[in-house]
Amino acid sequence: GQQLNQSPQSMFIQEGEDVSMNCTSSSIFNTWLWYKQDPGEGPVLLIALYKAGELTSNGRLTAQFGTTRKDSFLNISASIPSDVGIYFCAGQASGTYKYIFGTGTRLKVLA
Amino acid sequence: NAGVTQTPKFQVLKTGQSMTLQCAQDMNHNSMYWYRQDPGMGLRLIYYSASEGTTDKGEVPNGYNVSRLNKREFSLRLESAAPSQTSVYFCASRTSRRGASTDTQYFGPGTRLTVL
Repeated sequence: GQQLNQSPQSMFIQEGEDVSMNCTSSSIFNTWLWYKQDPGEGPVLLIALYKAGELTSNGRLTAQFGTTRKDSFLNISASIPSDVGIYFCAGQASGTYKYIFGTGTRLKVLA
Repeated sequence: NAGVTQTPKFQVLKTGQSMTLQCAQDMNHNSMYWYRQDPGMGLRLIYYSASEGTTDKGEVPNGYNVSRLNKREFSLRLESAAPSQTSVYFCASRTSRRGASTDTQYFGPGTRLTVL
């Protein structure tokens, strides 16, 4: 089945650094969602994007809906230890009820 | 407002046993989903229900059945469990207005299933 290409797969960063990750698709999407999953928990919605070029922030997190509608980006500024977890992107195409998920970016923050 | 709830949280089955995973949402959402999550595979859609009374197959439906009991509840049944169904199962629901600027999906806490 289709899955989104999400990169990087994992990253170690120092506390205070900025983080960038992205998702790319071969298909055009109308909606992009970004989730964070902590160990043993369900994914929690961070940011939702609905228009090409849209830039949306949620605290230290900023996400963008790519202008081609085939990609999306998530940035975390000034990372802190509680940012540790797995970040997933999900895209939804027009006319469908289904979401396609990326394979996740595992983030580890070194204090 | 509990959001999306799932029971049980953990389950161990023997090969061939059957069980039903329960999911309920209190957000008045029309659409509900069942996913499985395996290491390195992300989330894969098993079945979904666009609205009460309808269900459709997702990416990996084999070995599963679903029932949309009412608007709140969407259950997933394993008729004859196999070790390949060892996974974490997540239920999700989606806001009612497809395509609207509030169109988002919310997840439950998951059921961790082991099939021996």
